[in-house]
Formats: sequence, C-alpha cells, structure tokens
Amino acid sequence: DIQMTQSPSSLSASVGDRVTITCRTSENIFNYLSWYQQKPGKAPRLLIYRASTLQSGVPSRFSGSGSGTGFTLTITSLQIEDFATYYCQQIYGMPPWTFGQGTKVEIK
Amino acid sequence: QVQLVESGGGVVQPGRSLRLSCAASGFTFNYYGIQWVRQAPGKGLEWVVVISYDGSEKYYADSVKGRFIISRDNTKNTLDLQMNSLRGEDTAVYYCTKSARTYGVYYDGMDVWGEGTTVTVSS
Repeated sequence: DIQMTQSPSSLSASVGDRVTITCRTSENIFNYLSWYQQKPGKAPRLLIYRASTLQSGVPSRFSGSGSGTGFTLTITSLQIEDFATYYCQQIYGMPPWTFGQGTKVEIK
Repeated sequence: QVQLVESGGGVVQPGRSLRLSCAASGFTFNYYGIQWVRQAPGKGLEWVVVISYDGSEKYYADSVKGRFIISRDNTKNTLDLQMNSLRGEDTAVYYCTKSARTYGVYYDGMDVWGEGTTVTVSS
C-alpha cells in the first residue's frame, strides 16, 4: 500500500497569512492526489483534484502543486472560514486509496 | 440537488452485525462509483471500500476485508454496507461518497459526501 506523510499535523496562523501544507507519498503517484477540507462536525469537501485542479466553487486562494511523490496545498491570504482540517488522498492505481494524517489549521 | 443520505448507524455489541444504507438523488446513480470513508472519534479519514458504477468491482481496505460487504441497487439508487463481526475499532462516522467522474474514473476525487452515520461498537 502507498504510505502518506502529511505535514505539519497542525499549525497556527492569522487571517491574511499564507499557509502551506505538504503531502508526501511512498511511491510515485504522478498527479493522482486530491485535497479535502473538513470543518468540525461536517463532511469533508473536495478542494483540489489531480494535484492542481481547483474543484468548481472553491476560492482561487486555494492552490495545489506537485507531482510524483511530493505535493503542496497553499492557501494565500487565509480567511476566517479556512480554519479547518485538511487532508490529502492518493487515488493512484488499485485501492486502497489512502489519506494523509490531516493538518489542523488553527487561529493564532 | 445532488445528495447522498446515509442511514442505519447505531450502537452494536462487538461481534454483531449492522447494515448501513446510502440513498442517492439528484444525479444518474448508475454512472458513478461510490466509496465509503470512515472517521473514528478524534481521528483522521480512513478509506474503507469502493464499488464500481455497475457493481462488478469491489475493493476493500484490509481492515474490513472479509467482514464488510458492499452492494448497490441501481434500480433504487441505493447502496448498502453490510458490516459483520464488528470490532471496537470499527467505531466511527461512516460517510458515503460519490466519485467526481463517471464510470471507472476515480482519480478526480470524491465530490459529493453524505452527512455521515455514526456506528458505535461497544458492549
């Protein structure tokens, strides 16, 4: 199975900050990576798929990059509604399609 | 609107069974693969199982293989997850999710999620 390493596990930031979250995979997954946002008590929401394609309706301050084994989710100018937990997920080849451990973005 | 609604969660003793259901509406159900993802209390997301659009392919996480069985009824737009030999580590919120693309394309992620149903395995 493909192993996921997401970092950091948590971070504190202020409104307006630029935030970067990293996801690494144990093998090459090309660009078959998605990012999700989850708020407390709610279902996750798809933000980005195929590493860098923004899902419809997602604000442009969210962006994704990377390929192979290293990926990044960036939030430029963090807004109050962005405080949440973020997960990466690889969807390469045969299942299981594993998730990263999550990154909790908290208010500084 | 496009919607998935899970049901069937509850409290069950270890070793017993429970059947979750997912009802779909607002989209052509038989075009899309469906997955279950679970989240234990205070923990991250765990991928559980996927079923193809026509039910011909099913893949399970090792943690549930041999105990859980997924099925779908494309005439009723419903999906079931039969969970047998339940363990404490199966305690979680279970989400039904829809693949973003049709047929066998899964790599664009899961674009619709239900609100989840809670399963608690405890004596």
